[in-house]
Amino acid sequence: GAVVSQHPSWVICKSGTSVKIECRSLDFQATTMFWYRQFPKQSLMLMATSNEGSKATYEQGVEKDKFLINHASLTLSTLTVTSAHPEDSSFYICSAKDWRVGPQETQYFGPGTRLLVL
Amino acid sequence: AQSVSQHNHHVILSEAASLELGCNYSYGGTVNLFWYVQYPGQHLQLLLKYFSGDPLVKGIKGFEAEFIKSKFSFNLRKPSVQWSDTAEYFCAVTRYNQGGKLIFGQGTELSVKP
Repeated sequence: GAVVSQHPSWVICKSGTSVKIECRSLDFQATTMFWYRQFPKQSLMLMATSNEGSKATYEQGVEKDKFLINHASLTLSTLTVTSAHPEDSSFYICSAKDWRVGPQETQYFGPGTRLLVL
Repeated sequence: AQSVSQHNHHVILSEAASLELGCNYSYGGTVNLFWYVQYPGQHLQLLLKYFSGDPLVKGIKGFEAEFIKSKFSFNLRKPSVQWSDTAEYFCAVTRYNQGGKLIFGQGTELSVKP
């Protein structure tokens, strides 16, 4: 089956620093990747849609200058949390769509990255 | 507001009991429906999905779900749960012409007692 990896799996950083999270589709090409945020005991909230070769589309209420997304290739999207603050601490999950499957494509999820900002 | 609702926040069952988790959505028009499972410490996995055709969908690990269009519902069922089914279950919806964006329900935590 399709595999999506994320790196790092967890990160601890000081307030004010920037953190980059990578999302890779390992055995398929993903024209579209999605970034979600999950708080403890809560659901996944879509942050943005990342399309290869174009600007990301952000959901309402998500600061695009705060959460920079780059989808430079068909297998890699990155999320950079800039000037991180403790309220940015969360579980960040990416997913990728396999374009070869057609209109009934399914998203495959990465294992997530836990971010703790001190 | 348009949304996906899962009515049960936490369900506790004994092994061999039957399971039904409710999911309702409030979007009009064409939707695709999904159930995902998140085992402790693991990533989200697809249990089953409905796009069209037979409204009774069978998924992995003995799960099934029924799409009832008139009720805007897509409830998940399993006749006999096992301890290994302990996990968080998420219902999700994509809407036609929305680029495949998944809208998730709040999730239901299932605890199965051995």
